[in-house]
Order: sequence, then structure tokens, then C-alpha cells
Amino acid sequence: SYVLTQPPSVSAAPGKTATITCAGNNIGSKSVHWYQQQPGQAPVAVIYYDSDRPSGVPERFSGSNSGNTATLTISRVEAGDEADYYCQVWDTSSDHVVFGGGTRLSVL
Amino acid sequence: EVQLVESGGGLVQPGGSLRLSCAASGFTLSSFSMNWVRQAPGKGLEWVSYISSGSTIFYADSVRGRFTISRDNDKNLLYLQMNSLRAEDSAVYYCARPPPGAAFEMDVWGQGTTVTVSS
Repeated sequence: SYVLTQPPSVSAAPGKTATITCAGNNIGSKSVHWYQQQPGQAPVAVIYYDSDRPSGVPERFSGSNSGNTATLTISRVEAGDEADYYCQVWDTSSDHVVFGGGTRLSVL
Repeated sequence: EVQLVESGGGLVQPGGSLRLSCAASGFTLSSFSMNWVRQAPGKGLEWVSYISSGSTIFYADSVRGRFTISRDNDKNLLYLQMNSLRAEDSAVYYCARPPPGAAFEMDVWGQGTTVTVSS
């Protein structure tokens, strides 16, 4: 089955840039979606289709996808960005939705 | 307002059954595919099942043969029938809807309902 690998944790100082990766075999051929989950809350989408921001998501959130790695970039990090982030794809070979293991972003 | 509200969670013994419901409001359920996603305590998100607007159904390997997804479009309700429950099925269960015209990404999420499988 298709596997997405994320680093367990990433940290960034306020005002700096946080980069969260999502590795998968030829993930560049798939559409990647990203979700933010605050403690005790349901997830919220921050990026669809590799790089599209849903309405209401700040421009500080951006995404890219190429080769074997998709990336979520959060610019000018704020304290409120501290959360867990998950990447997700649809794997056509198995007809499965697949989530990455999640990355906890800590704002120093 | 577009909203999803899950119910039906609770404490059940191993081997038991539960039926979760997801009540949709503010939109017509029949026009959308839907997903169930779960999250075990302290763990990440795990996809459980998908049903299309045309009732094409997919399951995660971990639940296939034990769980059944269904929908009642007249009542605007989504269901997840869970049988032969195991301790590892303990989790918060979310129903989630994609954006209009989409299928496998999640836009609207419910608040979740907690399932605990324990003797």
C-alpha cells in the first residue's frame, strides 16, 4: 500500500519560515492535500491540489509537489500556527485515501 | 450553515457493534461523496471508508469486512455500521465532506464521536 512519510516534528521561531515535507513514491504524480489540526479540534484544510489555498487560509501558507516530495511552507510563522499538520492523497492503485503520519509544528 | 454532526459513539466490549450516524445540514447529502476518518488517542488521522454520491464504496484494509458505510439521502444521514469491534478501533470518528465537485479531499468535518472498545 502507498505510504506517506512526514517528519514527526518541526520547529520555527516566530516570523521565520517552517517547512513540512511529505515523502511518497512518485508523489509528484498525485494531488496532495494538507490539513492543520489544533489540539482537541477537527482538522482544517490549508492546501488542496498541491498548492491551492482554500478561502480564508492566509497567503503565508503555500505548497509544492514534485518528484518524491510534497512540501507545505508556512512563512512568517505565528504562535497560532502551532498545530499538527497532515498530508493526504488518493491512491488510485489501491482505491484508498492515505494520510501521512503527521508533523507537529512547534513555534519557539 | 453547512454542518456535520456525528453521534452514536460510546463504550462497547470487544466483539460488539455500534452504528455511527452523521447528520448533514445546510447542503444536500445526495450530491456529495463522503468519508469517515478516525483518530486513535494521541495518534494521527486514519481514513476508514468512502462512499460516492452514486454509492461506490471503498474501505481501509483494517476495517473491510467488519464495517459498512451507507447513506440515507432522504434523511440527509451518513452511517457507519461497525461490527466485530477490536480495541484498536478505539478512536474519535469524524465524517467529512469534500468541496463541491470533489471526492477524496476533506472540506467540512464534523466534531467527531468517540468510540471506546474495552472490556
